[in-house]
Amino acid sequence: DAGITQSPRYKITETGRQVTLMCHQTWSHSYMFWYRQDLGHGLRLIYYSAAADITDKGEVPDGYVVSRSKTENFPLTLESATRSQTSVYFCASSERTGQSLEYEQYFGPGTRLTVT
Amino acid sequence: QKEVEQNSGPLSVPEGAIASLNCTYSDRGSQSFFWYRQYSGKSPELIMFIYSNGDKEDGRFTAQLNKASQYVSLLIRDSQPSDSATYLCARSGGYQKVTFGTGTKLQVIP
Repeated sequence: DAGITQSPRYKITETGRQVTLMCHQTWSHSYMFWYRQDLGHGLRLIYYSAAADITDKGEVPDGYVVSRSKTENFPLTLESATRSQTSVYFCASSERTGQSLEYEQYFGPGTRLTVT
Repeated sequence: QKEVEQNSGPLSVPEGAIASLNCTYSDRGSQSFFWYRQYSGKSPELIMFIYSNGDKEDGRFTAQLNKASQYVSLLIRDSQPSDSATYLCARSGGYQKVTFGTGTKLQVIP
């Protein structure tokens, strides 16, 4: 049971370069999310997707692009990386809990991105 | 005012004691809350969720929700060194969007 995976786990890139972070889940969860985690800010939602071909902005979407052509994949692209995008990026997927209408989120292992 | 607020800590408790972690929220319409545990360098993992007033118990963990006072708490009984982590309180919003607090770091001292 692979669950949710992210690649690469570590990435160093230069300012202005395009970089894509990959996220893959094997559960067929309908919802997927991208967060960034920074000291003092906690986890902040970048983009989310309710299903294939349906995406929407979160709290901090500027400078990021997402796509979701297949249910299991949700790549995040930084079109022109900036130093302020140095962060740890987490992908998550969610499914409804058995006890309520709420959705539990399951997180991938994260990608540590450094922009120099 | 942040949607979900937590004291960053660290909260230090001796092994075997009860650890009490608190979280306040600003939106009175909030219905459900989650507690996640995050070990250093790892991803968050869900440990509890609560959506009604009162207490919810799961093993050594008890989540408490008080909607009138707009706070959520997590009690960890018989704290172990392995409980040392950052605990994230999260509020469930619409369309499965979750808003996280910045987390409280817990240190359990052997």
